[in-house]
Amino acid sequence: NAGVTQTPKFQVLKTGQSMTLQCAQDMNHEYMSWYRQDPGMGLRLIHYSVGAGITDQGEVPNGYNVSRSTTEDFPLRLLSAAPSQTSVYFCASGRAGGNEQFFGPGTRLTVL
Amino acid sequence: SQQGEEDPQALSIQEGENATMNCSYKTSINNLQWYRQNSGRGLVHLILIRSNEREKHSGRLRVTLDTSKKSSSLLITASRAADTASYFCATRMDSSYKLIFGSGTRLLVRP
Repeated sequence: NAGVTQTPKFQVLKTGQSMTLQCAQDMNHEYMSWYRQDPGMGLRLIHYSVGAGITDQGEVPNGYNVSRSTTEDFPLRLLSAAPSQTSVYFCASGRAGGNEQFFGPGTRLTVL
Repeated sequence: SQQGEEDPQALSIQEGENATMNCSYKTSINNLQWYRQNSGRGLVHLILIRSNEREKHSGRLRVTLDTSKKSSSLLITASRAADTASYFCATRMDSSYKLIFGSGTRLLVRP
């Protein structure tokens, strides 16, 4: 099993550009989530999903969109990138019971 | 604001010593989990304690939970240089699937 995979590993954007961060898992997990990690802030939940077709907002959803058309994939879209979105983004998955989460390796995003 | 806050923010100890880090949270929970993050990597699950449990062990890890004080502690015994990492607590509330993380404790174990 590959576990949770994220692409790309690094990305540089200009202000106003859009892009999609990809996340996939091969463990048939119902729950998937996106976090951002900033220095000294820990991880903050952006969006999460408890199954295909079901998504909900986390702590910091503004500026991000998600969709869950399959169990395996949970892409995160930045509609119009801003410097405040410079961060490391982590995708995670787990069983719907809200227990152990498996994390991907992260995407380091810089917005100029 | 974040649900969990860790204390201390940073901890430096000698190899062989014990490391204790604390987590406080704000609302009632279903469970509390501890994760470890090596520099530049994703988080790895260490241990989970449910709201009806008071103490749990896993290898050199000991976790306690005091729901009356809304706090938890993680003890790493006989630390090793390889334990150097950041440690995060995360809480799941009864009414939600969401897992909310604290700001973390950076642990440095000196050889």
